[in-house]
Amino acid sequence: GENVEQHPSTLSVQEGDSAVIKCTYSDSASNYFPWYKQELGKRPQLIIDIRSNVGEKKDQRIAVTLNKTAKHFSLHITETQPEDSAVYFCAANTNAGKSTFGDGTTLTVKP
Amino acid sequence: GAVVSQHPSRVICKSGTSVKIECRSLDFQATTMFWYRQFPKKSLMLMATSNEGSKATYEQGVEKDKFLINHASLTLSTLTVTSAHPEDSSFYICSARVLYTGELFFGEGSRLTVL
Repeated sequence: GENVEQHPSTLSVQEGDSAVIKCTYSDSASNYFPWYKQELGKRPQLIIDIRSNVGEKKDQRIAVTLNKTAKHFSLHITETQPEDSAVYFCAANTNAGKSTFGDGTTLTVKP
Repeated sequence: GAVVSQHPSRVICKSGTSVKIECRSLDFQATTMFWYRQFPKKSLMLMATSNEGSKATYEQGVEKDKFLINHASLTLSTLTVTSAHPEDSSFYICSARVLYTGELFFGEGSRLTVL
């Protein structure tokens, strides 16, 4: 089955700096890669996603890149703000819709 | 985005009792829903895939008789934790998949505490 590895597990940055979280996956059949933000005690919220026919996608301060050959994808947050502090999960999906999640990255943005 | 509602958000029960958690897709039909368990500071662990009109598919290591899943309609899946024990205490989250885009939308989660 699919295996998703996510790094780093914790990340601390100064407000205004950039944050990068990386994930690798094992199943070449995976074709949809969402990123979720989860605040303490709340549900995961989709923040950005990318499909396998695209190499990069950007939405304001958030961007995701995908390297299908290397089977890795990354989340980039620029100009970080304290409200960006949360746990971020990557996931890899196959056509069957089953998601395999990374272990999560706890991002702390220091004011 | 689509809305998924999960109820109850918190439940406390005595050991040996059963607890039912509901997951509803409010503004779309979901032929497939997923149930997860999340431990503190951990990732989402898929328990089972709930398919409308058919039996759920359970992940390895998840007891089918303990975690009963029913997906009787295109907008509702239920998870029943039977004969609950303190080790079943956890945060349970459901998600529903939008058919044509594959996007997942999550319920609010249910925190179960078994005394």
